[in-house]
Amino acid sequence: GENVEQHPSTLSVQEGDSAVIKCTYSDSASNYFPWYKQELGKRPQLIIDIRSNVGEKKDQRIAVTLNKTAKHFSLHITETQPEDSAVYFCAASPSSNQAGTALIFGKGTTLSVSS
Amino acid sequence: DTGVSQDPRHKITKRGQNVTFRCDPISEHNRLYWYRQTLGQGPEFLTYFQNEAQLEKSRLLSDRFSAERPKGSFSTLEIQRTEQGDSAMYLCASSLGLAGVAGELFFGEGSRLTVL
Repeated sequence: GENVEQHPSTLSVQEGDSAVIKCTYSDSASNYFPWYKQELGKRPQLIIDIRSNVGEKKDQRIAVTLNKTAKHFSLHITETQPEDSAVYFCAASPSSNQAGTALIFGKGTTLSVSS
Repeated sequence: DTGVSQDPRHKITKRGQNVTFRCDPISEHNRLYWYRQTLGQGPEFLTYFQNEAQLEKSRLLSDRFSAERPKGSFSTLEIQRTEQGDSAMYLCASSLGLAGVAGELFFGEGSRLTVL
């Protein structure tokens, strides 16, 4: 089955710096790669996603890049702010021989932004 | 609130007891997922429904775990003969998607299980 590895497990940056989180996946048939943000005590929420037919997607200060050949994708946050502090999870959706797919998550990266 | 709701939010039980969690997804969503999350880890996939059909179960899912979605709406997750290792947050999520196309998962607040 699909396996998603995420690095680093913790990341500390100064406000205004950029942060990069990287993930690798094992199933070459995976075609959907979302990123979720989970604040302390709250539910995970989608912040950005990318499908395998594009290599990069941006949404204001957040961008995701995908390299299907190398089977890795990355989250880039520019001009970090204290409210970006949270746990970030990458995920990959493998193909299925039945209708639908199940997202497999990485173990998470705890991002701390200090002012 | 039209989001995903889970009940109970907290459950404390003794080892060996059975527990059941309920999830009410967003009404128009045809897909429903159960995940388990422990401290410092990502959500671990347990099982997944499309309408009332259980399409996928994790190979890690013990026979003590069973899930249903009888009418394609709410779902229940039952854990029989609980063990201390079952202590975790049980997250339910729902999504709306076409066959074979993954989409955004909307998570509930979770049901936290503590097994003494």
